[in-house]
Amino acid sequence: DGGITQSPKYLFRKEGQNVTLSCEQNLNHDAMYWYRQDPGQGLRLIYYSQIVNDFQKGDIAEGYSVSREKKESFPLTVTSAQKNPTAFYLCASSMEGTQPQHFGDGTRLSIL
Amino acid sequence: GQQLNQSPQSMFIQEGEDVSMNCTSSSIFNTWLWYKQDPGEGPVLLIALYKAGELTSNGRLTAQFGITRKDSFLNISASIPSDVGIYFCAGRRNNKIIFGKGTRLHILP
Repeated sequence: DGGITQSPKYLFRKEGQNVTLSCEQNLNHDAMYWYRQDPGQGLRLIYYSQIVNDFQKGDIAEGYSVSREKKESFPLTVTSAQKNPTAFYLCASSMEGTQPQHFGDGTRLSIL
Repeated sequence: GQQLNQSPQSMFIQEGEDVSMNCTSSSIFNTWLWYKQDPGEGPVLLIALYKAGELTSNGRLTAQFGITRKDSFLNISASIPSDVGIYFCAGRRNNKIIFGKGTRLHILP
């Protein structure tokens, strides 16, 4: 089945560590996105990529980094510079920027 | 910046009741989207609206794109227990999508 796969489902980080969240899609979508969701809040855009080897900062990019070396993959690294990383992270993709986004099932990141 | 005001923030209803929620903005949007999120999962697209005045149904769900292009509503008829969750609206303008903060739907036994 086509879809978006995020892994792991749960992730724990120690202070000062970088961690990488995986997002893979087999929908042949050009555009991919990373969002952060906090309780009672809407989704806030971290980074997005409209095409391979290109990506743009979203509204809350500080403390995060991404890469887009393959069309199917858009990993997100939460760096030690992100002081409040505990959140639910959602990856999404769309055929292109004007089409509705489809979401993965998320990764919940917690600090030990 | 652009903001979407989604209301109500939460709703408590009896099974079988109809539900109505809406999103408003001071900005014009080209597309309105409605998503549902179950606990611990990603949002799932329910309805996409592309034209002012458009009224679209998906089973018991009906959504409309406001004539002013600044608002949208979602109705759920004859609610059932599996309707429980968080409903998000999203508006798209200039290739940017803005999400509302969600309406949490609770169904009383």
